[in-house]
Amino acid sequence: AQSVTQLGSHVSVSEGALVLLRCNYSSSVPPYLFWYVQYPNQGLQLLLKYTTGATLVKGINGFEAEFKKSETSFHLTKPSAHMSDAAEYFCAVGNDYKLSFGAGTTVTVRA
Amino acid sequence: DGGITQSPKYLFRKEGQNVTLSCEQNLNHDAMYWYRQDPGQGLRLIYYSQIVNDFQKGDIAEGYSVSREKKESFPLTVTSAQKNPTAFYLCASSIRPNTGELFFGEGSRLTVL
Repeated sequence: AQSVTQLGSHVSVSEGALVLLRCNYSSSVPPYLFWYVQYPNQGLQLLLKYTTGATLVKGINGFEAEFKKSETSFHLTKPSAHMSDAAEYFCAVGNDYKLSFGAGTTVTVRA
Repeated sequence: DGGITQSPKYLFRKEGQNVTLSCEQNLNHDAMYWYRQDPGQGLRLIYYSQIVNDFQKGDIAEGYSVSREKKESFPLTVTSAQKNPTAFYLCASSIRPNTGELFFGEGSRLTVL
């Protein structure tokens, strides 16, 4: 069985500040981990993914995430928030033939 | 351009009516999925198909049905047996059955009046 917990359903940051979105997972086998972004009334778009190899993963739009096996975490960060980062972000884990998604974190960016 | 097309984008139906949501992909992907999205609950898997003429139930299949007669098409029918059908429905595909990246359509919002 696999599951994902995203800590915090809403995050508000100032433009230019650090964005940190937390994700913890449980999985009985080595996981594949993903972060997706969703803009209002649209589908999801892949930000980045971890499969094997380097534990620090770089994605699109300046985002990156670090896989920490000992902490079963895959937190998403961006050093400097931009207004266009306002969206909902989903962490997901997959290791069988389906992905399990977290409940999502909505990011608001203040000018 | 390659991608996934969902239609209609918005749909209203009366209680007791069945409705079918369309999903077409031209990515030549083997696997296709239907997810339901409700506020604060993330995405929940309804059905998935790894190959033509085969599909499996996901976590919340009750009240839904699918078919996979062609590689590029995976329609979802929301039946009158689905007790709370108002939601945002997302179709996705992947090159192979999962461990890989999902490509999503733009979604269909169903409202039951």
